Amino acid sequence: GQQLNQSPQSMFIQEGEDVSMNCTSSSIFNTWLWYKQDPGEGPVLLIALYKAGELTSNGRLTAQFGITRKDSFLNISASIPSDVGIYFCAGLINGANSKLTFGKGITLSVRP
Amino acid sequence: DAGITQSPRHKVTETGTPVTLRCHQTENHRYMYWYRQDPGHGLRLIHYSYGVKDTDKGEVSDGYSVSRSKTEDFLLTLESATSSQTSVYFCATADSTDTQYFGPGTRLTVL
Repeated sequence: GQQLNQSPQSMFIQEGEDVSMNCTSSSIFNTWLWYKQDPGEGPVLLIALYKAGELTSNGRLTAQFGITRKDSFLNISASIPSDVGIYFCAGLINGANSKLTFGKGITLSVRP
Repeated sequence: DAGITQSPRHKVTETGTPVTLRCHQTENHRYMYWYRQDPGHGLRLIHYSYGVKDTDKGEVSDGYSVSRSKTEDFLLTLESATSSQTSVYFCATADSTDTQYFGPGTRLTVL
């Protein structure tokens, strides 16, 4: 089946630093989604990408849909303590009864 | 935020008892999903619905059933709860772009 690879499992950065996360797959997806999950909460959608090559920003977050359709990255600039959480990528092959494929997530820690 | 609520938010029950979790949405989204989240496994799809009375199985559907009698409500039932069903359960809904939005989750403990 389809799998999305996110690594490493955990990342530790200093407040103010930029951080980049990749999500890769051997399968092609038509939509890429990035979510953040805080402890005890549900995943919250950060950025949605619908076209190969698309680069989209949401405040300090920037995400890109890879040209090959097999990867995406999320960049967080000037990190702050509230960026702590688990970041999931998800891919979708659009169509009837589409189902998301999720990565296992990266836990981000930000040292003040 | 797609206006998704889940109830209850926390539940402790005993093995063998039936349990029903409710997902309610106010966005009139056609698609609704139930996931479970466990350490080391990430989010796994249990069942989903593509319309009222239209449901289908996900990858971990054994021991679970669902019903959707109204657009806004999607119920997940554990007919006879087992300890392996201790988990955090998330409901999600999807709009016309297939982008999914998640509820706050229900933490279920089966003793």
